[in-house]
Amino acid sequence: GAGVSQSPSNKVTEKGKDVELRCDPISGHTALYWYRQRLGQGLEFLIYFQGNSAPDKSGLPSDRFSAERTGESVSTLTIQRTQQEDSAVYLCASSLFADVQETQYFGPGTRLLVL
Amino acid sequence: GQNIDQPTEMTATEGAIVQINCTYQTSGFNGLFWYQQHAGEAPTFLSYNVLDGLEEKGRFSSFLSRSKGYSYLLLKELQMKDSASYLCAVRDRTGAGSYQLTFGKGTKLSVIP
Repeated sequence: GAGVSQSPSNKVTEKGKDVELRCDPISGHTALYWYRQRLGQGLEFLIYFQGNSAPDKSGLPSDRFSAERTGESVSTLTIQRTQQEDSAVYLCASSLFADVQETQYFGPGTRLLVL
Repeated sequence: GQNIDQPTEMTATEGAIVQINCTYQTSGFNGLFWYQQHAGEAPTFLSYNVLDGLEEKGRFSSFLSRSKGYSYLLLKELQMKDSASYLCAVRDRTGAGSYQLTFGKGTKLSVIP
């Protein structure tokens, strides 16, 4: 596609439920990134993929968070047993390569609300 | 660790010039980015600095001083559509050793007639 797409655009769930967030990067981009943006806060790095492998998962806040990527395209971020503090906008970005000078292109985000 | 500071809000008049400052402290600096984010939308890339000095791109310019840990984004001939949040992001080394973007909280710019 022309840009990074994410689904769903909005998700409301109950505390304790699992959620899956999806990201479709720009075609041909080998690097994919997940960020979280809490209200009034800056974007927090969660995890990045180079191809299908995740060399850096250091930003994942707990073991309830996991992500995978298949076929060097779609990625899913899974949050298990959601908590109210997980409420945030989850942004995905992609870049041609995971190189320090490569520009990251962001998707519109998924707004997650945990009740 | 990383610490990125930028003003929370700024207001400027249409047609004027505004400067948004960003100061940072990082352990392994490797470039500074500015992004624009309209409310409810994705951040979009504005500029990238890795060497000291001024990068000019149309109405927008970005400056970097690595020794001072300081950058600014300069917006000229402000237009109403420039009302948005401006995010300063530094590429820094994470605990796992890769270089990732660390973002400031953003500066919400309001352009008034």
